[in-house]
Amino acid sequence: GESVGLHLPTLSVQEGDNSIINCAYSNSASDYFIWYKQESGKGPQFIIDIRSNMDKRQGQRVTVLLNKTVKHLSLQIAATQPGDSAVYFCAENKAGFQKLVFGTGTRLLVSP
Amino acid sequence: GAVVSQHPSWVICKSGTSVKIECRSLDFQATTMFWYRQFPKQSLMLMATSNEGSKATYEQGVEKDKFLINHASLTLSTLTVTSAHPEDSSFYICSARGQQNTGELFFGEGSRLTVL
Repeated sequence: GESVGLHLPTLSVQEGDNSIINCAYSNSASDYFIWYKQESGKGPQFIIDIRSNMDKRQGQRVTVLLNKTVKHLSLQIAATQPGDSAVYFCAENKAGFQKLVFGTGTRLLVSP
Repeated sequence: GAVVSQHPSWVICKSGTSVKIECRSLDFQATTMFWYRQFPKQSLMLMATSNEGSKATYEQGVEKDKFLINHASLTLSTLTVTSAHPEDSSFYICSARGQQNTGELFFGEGSRLTVL
């Protein structure tokens, strides 16, 4: 398989802090990127996406930054809340291909 | 948003039996569905891509005779784990893409398979 993570890194923050979750993607031909949130025992939930012709996109409390030069993607969560605690995955889609490849996830733990 | 439903959400079976997992798009027609497998504390690994009315495309290392995928209609894809063994125990997740092929995938809630 592709991009299978062996261990999940963990980011621990306090409620109200801003969180930054990073992802290094693998394919320079990828043109579409998505961040997903996965809670325990559930399927991934779409958070925000970005296409390769952009370097920043903002949503409600979330911002995604794309740096194509170093193949790096980040997710910023403002005013993190306990309900944001979950595993976050970035995913990439190569232009012209149907499939989405997931990166190694990051576990976000938010303390009250 | 669009809804994708998986059934069953969890199943326990004996080694050697076959298990079928269903993935349904409830409010849209899905020309393409994807099946993922996820082990504990790991990422989602794509198993196969299924297009309605044609054979599934399996990822390298995934046994097509072991994991049978059928996508007979625009709203239903099934994954059958044949002759299941304990190492097949995992969380299986499907996703679906609509006919507009906008890029966004809608994920099911996953099905946890435990093989005794």
